[in-house]
Amino acid sequence: DAGVTQSPTHLIKTRGQQVTLRCSPKSGHDTVSWYQQALGQGPQFIFQYYEEEERQRGNFPDRFSGHQFPNYSSELNVNALLLGDSALYLCASSFIGEQYFGPGTRLTVT
Amino acid sequence: GESVGLHLPTLSVQEGDNSIINCAYSNSASDYFIWYKQESGKGPQFIIDIRSNMDKRQGQRVTVLLNKTVKHLSLQIAATQPGDSAVYFCAEDEMDTGRRALTFGSGTRLQVQP
Repeated sequence: DAGVTQSPTHLIKTRGQQVTLRCSPKSGHDTVSWYQQALGQGPQFIFQYYEEEERQRGNFPDRFSGHQFPNYSSELNVNALLLGDSALYLCASSFIGEQYFGPGTRLTVT
Repeated sequence: GESVGLHLPTLSVQEGDNSIINCAYSNSASDYFIWYKQESGKGPQFIIDIRSNMDKRQGQRVTVLLNKTVKHLSLQIAATQPGDSAVYFCAEDEMDTGRRALTFGSGTRLQVQP
């Protein structure tokens, strides 16, 4: 079992651009959550997907959107990138119990 | 790997000593608490969890204590090893409401001196 995988590992974008991050959940997991972790801080909840729908959302603007596919994999899209969007983006998958985290995608906005 | 927390509170202990990491939470409705370990360049790794109907839970070399009266959580690591060096986060959730969105604390860096 590969666990939760995320791609790409690192990404550099320019202000105003758009980015798509990808996540494959752990085998048997049907729920995917996304978190943003700024340097020196704990992860902050962005949103959660279950049965291909956004089930819950944290305090993030509409520039952050996502999608879940029938195979439970998920994408995080961020439009009109700001410098403050630079962070580690973590994906976590779960079935009923604990959330398992992937290694994250490091996004740098210049 | 990239450093997780450059300006976090740091706990420095000697190898073999016991470590205690503390966390305060604010949401009275939280009923599920988890400790995560995050090494540089990696995602958070589950260590141990506890439901609000318990005040203590033990794992292998780790113990979590929950004091709901003062909204305080602690993680005790016995016989700390160099491999325990990492940033530790507490997280809380509202399982009974089905919220399932973790709220993380700010983290503590544990440094184990050989």
